[in-house]
Amino acid sequence: AQSVTQPDIHITVSEGASLELRCNYSYGATPYLFWYVQSPGQGLQLLLKYFSGDTLVQGIKGFEAEFKRSQSSFNLRKPSVHWSDAAEYFCAVGAEEYGNKLVFGAGTILRVKS
Amino acid sequence: DTEVTQTPKHLVMGMTNKKSLKCEQHMGHRAMYWYKQKAKKPPELMFVYSYEKLSINESVPSRFSPECPNSSLLNLHLHALQPEDSALYLCASSQDTGVDYGYTFGSGTRLTVV
Repeated sequence: AQSVTQPDIHITVSEGASLELRCNYSYGATPYLFWYVQSPGQGLQLLLKYFSGDTLVQGIKGFEAEFKRSQSSFNLRKPSVHWSDAAEYFCAVGAEEYGNKLVFGAGTILRVKS
Repeated sequence: DTEVTQTPKHLVMGMTNKKSLKCEQHMGHRAMYWYKQKAKKPPELMFVYSYEKLSINESVPSRFSPECPNSSLLNLHLHALQPEDSALYLCASSQDTGVDYGYTFGSGTRLTVV
């Protein structure tokens, strides 16, 4: 069955430091990949998405993600974290072969220390 | 207008009450979704509407009743809920049901069942 794994429940980084959030998926097909961010009590905002083409995708708020087919990974990165980036980040995966349903990982809570 | 608007933002209801959640979008999207998100968990799909017709029901109990009166509006009618139904209910929309379109989420309704 298809699955999405975010191995880190919590991550704490210092303001100005670089960030990498991990996401691994298990799909039999070429999936569509997404990263969403959720502030407490709020809805989800799309940061970026990957469907095909260049494996390094740029998103909003200075985020980028790299698709690595050999590792079944789609990790999110930011070179310099700001205090306002503190939130929960969800990786999501979908595929036509699985009914076009968007399946979310468990999420990673990012804390930023000053 | 690039938003999905959900009302109310907060709702407290008793187990014998009947209430409704409302979701509205004016982006011309033809697919709309209800998700349920428990605390510290990822969103879980409940229903999908495509062109105003229910296309997916993820085995949701009948005490949740969705309705799509027109292409811009999605309701979730609630009746005889249980305390374990307390959660953040998220509405989303997309241009069509293909997962490659990406979803726009509302900010959610925080539901508490007492």
